[in-house]
Amino acid sequence: QVQLVQSGAEVKKPGASVTVSCKASGYTFTGHHMHWVRQAPGQGLEWMGMRRSSGGATRYPQKFQGRVTMTWDTSTSTVYMELSSLRSEDTAVYYCAREIEAAYYLDFWGQGTLVTVSP
Amino acid sequence: QSALTQPASVSGSPGQSITISCTGTSSDVGRYNRVSWYQQHPGKAPKLILYDVSNRPSGVSNRFSGSKSGNTASLTISGLQLEDEGDFHCKSYTSSDTYVFGTGTKVTVL
Repeated sequence: QVQLVQSGAEVKKPGASVTVSCKASGYTFTGHHMHWVRQAPGQGLEWMGMRRSSGGATRYPQKFQGRVTMTWDTSTSTVYMELSSLRSEDTAVYYCAREIEAAYYLDFWGQGTLVTVSP
Repeated sequence: QSALTQPASVSGSPGQSITISCTGTSSDVGRYNRVSWYQQHPGKAPKLILYDVSNRPSGVSNRFSGSKSGNTASLTISGLQLEDEGDFHCKSYTSSDTYVFGTGTKVTVL
């Protein structure tokens, strides 16, 4: 069955960077885009960007441009999301989520990774 | 890109129907039929319940239905059940080739 298994919780200091991983299994890694979504405590979901399977092109909303990088390793079917220059407002649960190529919706989600930014 | 606007909370009694709105602009909801809805229970990851405005994935109850008019999409839950309590989020594709989520709605079954 399809599974997206994310790395464990992180605690970081302001100004540092964090990398969250998401290992996919149970489906053909290529042919599916991967998105990252975050949710601050008590807040709604926020789209952070995506990496397309064909050509590996990335799309980031303006808010995160220059601060987020999404990469993947096809040999291990793992995607990575690095967020730099962390601040307290980045404290959130971060999710990876799969999109069947050109489907425009997210059909499977990882379990979430809590990132806490604290001095 | 501003978040799509949803009511903060909606409530109803078991068996009733409720509707959650999701208002965007002519650059997102109004331009594309690429609106999806996600249900989230506390401490859990979101789950897809509708895509392309009104299509249900396999296994999702037919008590969930969707529609769109102009810049506003809507999710209707009919025959409300206790298990429907949770948060609901809409999402739309945008003309900037990005995505935007709604502000989220908490559903309470009275």
